[in-house]
Amino acid sequence: GAVVSQHPSRVICKSGTSVKIECRSLDFQATTMFWYRQFPKQSLMLMATSNEGSKATYEQGVEKDKFLINHASLTLSTLTVTSAHPEDSSFYICSARGAGRGKPYEQYFGPGTRLTVT
Amino acid sequence: GQNIDQPTEMTATEGAIVQINCTYQTSGFNGLFWYQQHAGEAPTFLSYNVLDGLEEKGRFSSFLSRSKGYSYLLLKELQMKDSASYLCAPLDSNYQLIWGAGTKLIIKP
Repeated sequence: GAVVSQHPSRVICKSGTSVKIECRSLDFQATTMFWYRQFPKQSLMLMATSNEGSKATYEQGVEKDKFLINHASLTLSTLTVTSAHPEDSSFYICSARGAGRGKPYEQYFGPGTRLTVT
Repeated sequence: GQNIDQPTEMTATEGAIVQINCTYQTSGFNGLFWYQQHAGEAPTFLSYNVLDGLEEKGRFSSFLSRSKGYSYLLLKELQMKDSASYLCAPLDSNYQLIWGAGTKLIIKP
């Protein structure tokens, strides 16, 4: 149980285009979803936290107009990287947390999406 | 501020035991997670400690001392597949995971 999927697993796009990444909780209702970015050999960096049906809370330094997050249902959150640039190339990981699921406040991670912007 | 301190890299031999230490400073504390992350993959859950003491789970054990802001992950009977990064992540007062850069563990035959 507690499976989180992410799609696509890898994406290559041209500079200036937009890319959408989907995160789904497959067997539980995710009250909260998190979006992380990880550059090589660095720690996970929390980008934003979203609760179903409400606006995402972005971490300091993360542009909300560039990284659009939608958490329209208890099983789906999307991250759209708008007008992508090569510096946005990174490993994007989502995680989900469900009330009463697993260890207190345990986050279940998706497999990640490798974004390369050319 | 919030801070996690772990060794950047450790090397150990297959079949041996290794202890990965973590010291932390957070705004409030609601437990501490250890995650394993293989290169190019997402983290996977290893352990969770909220009270002082040792939690044992198979080959992996995790220890916590809240008064010292200290935890360690103990890996026994090391296998080649244990080569990965190990992330210590305490939960702060807002129940947010605080991430360090992790410890890259290299297992040699």
